[in-house]
Amino acid sequence: QVQLQESGPGLVKPSETLSVTCTVSGASISDYYWSWIRQTAGQGLEWIGRLYNSGSANYNPSFKSRVTMSVDTSKNQFSLKLSSVTAADTAVYYCVRDLEQWLVGGKDSWFDPWGQGTLVTVSS
Amino acid sequence: DIQMTQSPSSLSASVGDRVTITCRASHSISSYLNWYQQKPGKAPKVLIYAAFSLQSGVPSRFSGSGSGTEFTLTISSLQPEDFATYFCQQSYISPWTFGQGTKVDMK
Repeated sequence: QVQLQESGPGLVKPSETLSVTCTVSGASISDYYWSWIRQTAGQGLEWIGRLYNSGSANYNPSFKSRVTMSVDTSKNQFSLKLSSVTAADTAVYYCVRDLEQWLVGGKDSWFDPWGQGTLVTVSS
Repeated sequence: DIQMTQSPSSLSASVGDRVTITCRASHSISSYLNWYQQKPGKAPKVLIYAAFSLQSGVPSRFSGSGSGTEFTLTISSLQPEDFATYFCQQSYISPWTFGQGTKVDMK
């Protein structure tokens, strides 16, 4: 059974860098794609980006150049860094397995499972 | 980006009711549509993928239909554990985007 667990600072000051790590158990991080999603009261669910098992990433343009994702295969972990944060970045951050599979109609993907989420508050 | 719009935003229903939630995409997304359920304080979990495929372990009272720009999630007979918020999500083109959610509460 694949399980994901986020760990983060809880509180980050404006203009600083938010950093969250996801530890994966029950699967090798090299075998799948992984994504970060956040949930805010105002914007709902927002996909931040996908990390491929090659180590490359596809980011949501909404986060422009502020986001960096990386993987540590030795620890079976992947990480999110979001720079120059503001109060609008206050959210619950989820790590998820980005499950891509070939179906009858072609290649498709969905998010399963999700970590429990970690609340990150941006405040001075 | 493809905009996903759900209706209604909330609904009140009773145990045993048939519930239908609609999700509309701003552009055609073929059948690249997933549905998630979220309970308070918990992470979302996938119910339906590829518009109508039931995720393993999800009760058969949940079903999905649609293609192109209009999709529906149906709960054939609402159970107490189904009171939750439901989200649609398109997986047709990056950036993947979600609907704003439909909250199902008790009448």
